[in-house]
Amino acid sequence: NAGVTQTPKFQVLKTGQSMTLQCAQDMNHNSMYWYRQDPGMGLRLIYYSASEGTTDKGEVPNGYNVSRLNKREFSLRLESAAPSQTSVYFCASSGQVYQPQHFGDGTRLSIL
Amino acid sequence: EDQVTQSPEALRLQEGESSSLNCSYTVSGLRGLFWYRQDPGKGPEFLFTLYSAGEEKEKERLKATLTKKESFLHITAPKPEDSATYLCAVQAGGSQGNLIFGKGTKLSVKP
Repeated sequence: NAGVTQTPKFQVLKTGQSMTLQCAQDMNHNSMYWYRQDPGMGLRLIYYSASEGTTDKGEVPNGYNVSRLNKREFSLRLESAAPSQTSVYFCASSGQVYQPQHFGDGTRLSIL
Repeated sequence: EDQVTQSPEALRLQEGESSSLNCSYTVSGLRGLFWYRQDPGKGPEFLFTLYSAGEEKEKERLKATLTKKESFLHITAPKPEDSATYLCAVQAGGSQGNLIFGKGTKLSVKP
């Protein structure tokens, strides 16, 4: 079983460029989440989608947008990348909002 | 403010040397406490969920316990393959399931 699949695995951008991180899950989960992980800090929630058709801001939403394309897919977009957005980005999904979340293996993003 | 603190930051053990990792939390209405394992270059892997004080869960050499203020992850007779970073996270009531993570404990088990 693939679980949660994230693409790309690695990306290097220049300041001001835009890109979309893709996430897809094959577990028929209702809820999906985007986190970022930085050295010396815990995982921090960027945006989440409790169910198809809804999205809400997390702890650190500035500079990001999301789209819940369908039940399986949840994308994260950086409109104008900044060096402060250099991080590892993780997508997660859960059956319902209070059930365990299952994570993908991340996208490592560097912004020069 | 909801908060999770893990200690120690790093722990080195000899194979077979049992120990415990601590996760202290302050949260408004705990809905669940989660333990994850994270290997280098990988995403967090779900281990346990604990919902109420006094609850315990076990999996192989790992045992998680919960009180009203903290959780412990006990590792019995660890093996080198248990080396990883262990993450603790909490869910608060009304949070839409959002997880608040600690910074993790990096465990190294030497043969």
